[in-house]
Amino acid sequence: DIQMTQSPSILSASVGDRVTVTCRASQNINNQLVWFQQKPGKAPKFLIHRASSLWSGVPSRFSGGGYGTEFTLTITSLQPEDFATYYCQQYNNYPRTFGQGTKVEIK
Amino acid sequence: EVQLVESGGGLIQPGGSLRLSCVDSGFTFNSDGMNWARQSSEKGLEWLAYISSSGTTIYYADSVKGRFTISRDNARNSLYLQMDSLRGEDSALYYCVRDWPVIWGQGTLVTVSS
Repeated sequence: DIQMTQSPSILSASVGDRVTVTCRASQNINNQLVWFQQKPGKAPKFLIHRASSLWSGVPSRFSGGGYGTEFTLTITSLQPEDFATYYCQQYNNYPRTFGQGTKVEIK
Repeated sequence: EVQLVESGGGLIQPGGSLRLSCVDSGFTFNSDGMNWARQSSEKGLEWLAYISSSGTTIYYADSVKGRFTISRDNARNSLYLQMDSLRGEDSALYYCVRDWPVIWGQGTLVTVSS
């Protein structure tokens, strides 16, 4: 199985900050990666597919990058509604596997 | 707006069975692959199973292979997860997840305990 490792596990930041979350795959997954945002008590929300393609309606302050085994999710100018937990998931192989999550919290 | 609504969760004793259902209110259910995933504080997010639009291709996570069965009824816009031989570690919030666009239901809670 492909292991997905996110870092950091917790990220403390302030409104207006630029933040970056990293996701590493244990083997090459090309660009077959999605990012989700999850708020407490809610289902995950789809943000990005194919590592860097923003889904419809997702603010442009979100961006994704990377290929192969290393990927990033960047939020420029963090907004109050962005404080949440972010997950990556690979869909290059079955079983599809998730990262353990990165909680973006208020500093 | 496409909406997925799960049902069927509850409290069940170890070794018991449950059948989860997910109804898709969208118009293209029969053209999309569907998945089940779960989330617990112990294991985080875990993908469980996939079924293709026609039902002919199915994959399972090793943790549920042989115990869980995914199926669908395209005429009813419905997805199912038959869960047998349940264990304590199966306790989680279970989600159905549409393949494309990626949409998650609100989840149904399964608790396995005596």
